[in-house]
Amino acid sequence: DADVTQTPRNRITKTGKRIMLECSQTKGHDRMYWYRQDPGLGLRLIYYSFDVKDINKGEISDGYSVSRQAQAKFSLSLESAIPNQTALYFCATSDAGLPQETQYFGPGTRLLVL
Amino acid sequence: AQSVAQPEDQVNVAEGNPLTVKCTYSVSGNPYLFWYVQYPNRGLQFLLKYITGDNLVKGSYGFEAEFNKSQTSFHLKKPSALVSDSALYFCAVRDWGSDSSYKLIFGSGTRLLVRP
Repeated sequence: DADVTQTPRNRITKTGKRIMLECSQTKGHDRMYWYRQDPGLGLRLIYYSFDVKDINKGEISDGYSVSRQAQAKFSLSLESAIPNQTALYFCATSDAGLPQETQYFGPGTRLLVL
Repeated sequence: AQSVAQPEDQVNVAEGNPLTVKCTYSVSGNPYLFWYVQYPNRGLQFLLKYITGDNLVKGSYGFEAEFNKSQTSFHLKKPSALVSDSALYFCAVRDWGSDSSYKLIFGSGTRLLVRP
């Protein structure tokens, strides 16, 4: 969905390096999410943010941090990358908290940690 | 515990034949169910969702899904498959009314391969 963009699309880094993945959205949504996708495991939630001042850990937040710089921007950082963080990372957005709210996903960032 | 199961890693079907991708769920509150599709090198795209009402939900690209409360299932279907339907499909549930209402719980995904 072009309304949710992620940079970079692909990244190769070395163990121990700090890297940042960025997400921007033009949908005007308050809620933003970071997921990682691993083969056979589906998507797992890393962090989520309901507005600029509200950031929460998801189910697999260890080794990651986030920053919500503005309503439209939500960045994910790997403080010291390790090989098992090699995965496909997705950013998503959604509107206010209703049960039927749909999450809209970015194109993903493929990360390889050597 | 909240969970979503997609029992088939891969589904193979010939073009023109009907297809079914299975999904079952387990939640403590009211289930709100979603299907997403992921094409190669693309993000997840929303296909359809069940909220309340009619158990048969129609979505994008000719897909539909049937909610069955007694069997706790939400299978994705299409009457006539296209080669271009080949992709990875994810079922997801929101456990509304629970402490985890904010999040979507995803299945492990099912790869659909449509043969010409």
